[in-house]
Amino acid sequence: DSGVTQTPKHLITATGQRVTLRCSPRSGDLSVYWYQQSLDQGLQFLIQYYNGEERAKGNILERFSAQQFPDLHSELNLSSLELGDSALYFCASSVGRVEDTQYFGPGTRLTVL
Amino acid sequence: ILNVEQSPQSLHVQEGDSTNFTCSFPSSNFYALHWYRWETAKSPEALFVMTLNGDEKKKGRISATLNTKEGYSYLYIKGSQPEDSATYLCAHAGGTSYGKLTFGQGTILTVHP
Repeated sequence: DSGVTQTPKHLITATGQRVTLRCSPRSGDLSVYWYQQSLDQGLQFLIQYYNGEERAKGNILERFSAQQFPDLHSELNLSSLELGDSALYFCASSVGRVEDTQYFGPGTRLTVL
Repeated sequence: ILNVEQSPQSLHVQEGDSTNFTCSFPSSNFYALHWYRWETAKSPEALFVMTLNGDEKKKGRISATLNTKEGYSYLYIKGSQPEDSATYLCAHAGGTSYGKLTFGQGTILTVHP
């Protein structure tokens, strides 16, 4: 158990819908990272937040947005969902620097029908 | 090298064999190189983070080396056991985006009893 929690574990929804994925970092970690893993691709970095502020951005679609709240939990919002958004979404947390170990949560499997 | 590349893609070894994999990454503006172990149906588990050229890290039977000048890292497993079967991922932090980790596609290791 990494200490990072993610909810829900599984999510099944329809195209065009909007969902919110939630992540709570390890105690003491200030940074949260979101990753997407599709069937045909490796782990893709989406976005990083540090202490409530966006710090780094990957190839995150405009339909996706994230935020980190004062209690340091983070939410990833996915809207106007398409079939291709079906993937495993991981959250990771770390102290904050790129050379710090990132601890991964169990992931949320999103299926868009 | 523009992306993070891992070789081989997959590897089958017998219990007791020693093995190694390669991770190649862009050598300019290097910040850190991470290695993760990812078992099926679980989340990636951090093995090592390396930041300095010539770094060597060891954890039990697993060790890793880093060459930032030529842009490669090796992961070694001595005396492979069936429980070592997993996907081994490397992730590079560098370039213009400080916080971003770019993952390789992974090496799938299967250790046969």
